[in-house]
Amino acid sequence: EADIYQTPRYLVIGTGKKITLECSQTMGHDKMYWYQQDPGMELHLIHYSYGVNSTEKGDLSSESTVSRIRTEHFPLTLESARPSHTSQYLCASSGVQVTDTQYFGPGTRLTVL
Amino acid sequence: GDSVTQMEGPVTLSEEAFLTINCTYTATGYPSLFWYVQYPGEGLQLLLKATKADDKGSNKGFEATYRKETTSFHLEKGSVQVSDSAVYFCALSTGGTSYGKLTFGQGTILTVHP
Repeated sequence: EADIYQTPRYLVIGTGKKITLECSQTMGHDKMYWYQQDPGMELHLIHYSYGVNSTEKGDLSSESTVSRIRTEHFPLTLESARPSHTSQYLCASSGVQVTDTQYFGPGTRLTVL
Repeated sequence: GDSVTQMEGPVTLSEEAFLTINCTYTATGYPSLFWYVQYPGEGLQLLLKATKADDKGSNKGFEATYRKETTSFHLEKGSVQVSDSAVYFCALSTGGTSYGKLTFGQGTILTVHP
């Protein structure tokens, strides 16, 4: 059973607020990922990490930032939220092999008013 | 670059009908192939995977075979249930500069009626 957690599950905030979306996994995975899922369902990789102190931008440009200070923790931060940031955010983790499964958290649905 | 193309949706079926969701891919090297399912309000769950040509992945009555010659990984189920209603994503991962990152198809919504 995969153990990857995201909090909060739902967040409604006003424009200009700073927010942090939390993601934690207990599987000891080195690789972690953040995806943005638009209303049309398509998934876009926005950040990934191959280990502690490693972070890279994904395929879709995002104004968010990430950090990886501990293996199990990969938070995503928006310094100043805007309505265009309204979306579903999914966190995932995997082992190091290309054949390894990515395990997903339940997601955070963010609404910026 | 790598890409995954899924059949256009949504797909609507009656219970016990046969399901096929087509998936074709373009990739450099030898990708691993995955099918993920997303139930309403949840994250993605791995449904099945195959890591080399001619492998068949199977789970919960769903099957898909890695066909290198046709670059396909079609999802099938012989008899769907209402509880199979969800969004299904085909995906691949490769080595090289994209090492381990997943490339997803656009997703296919499946609705099963009693």
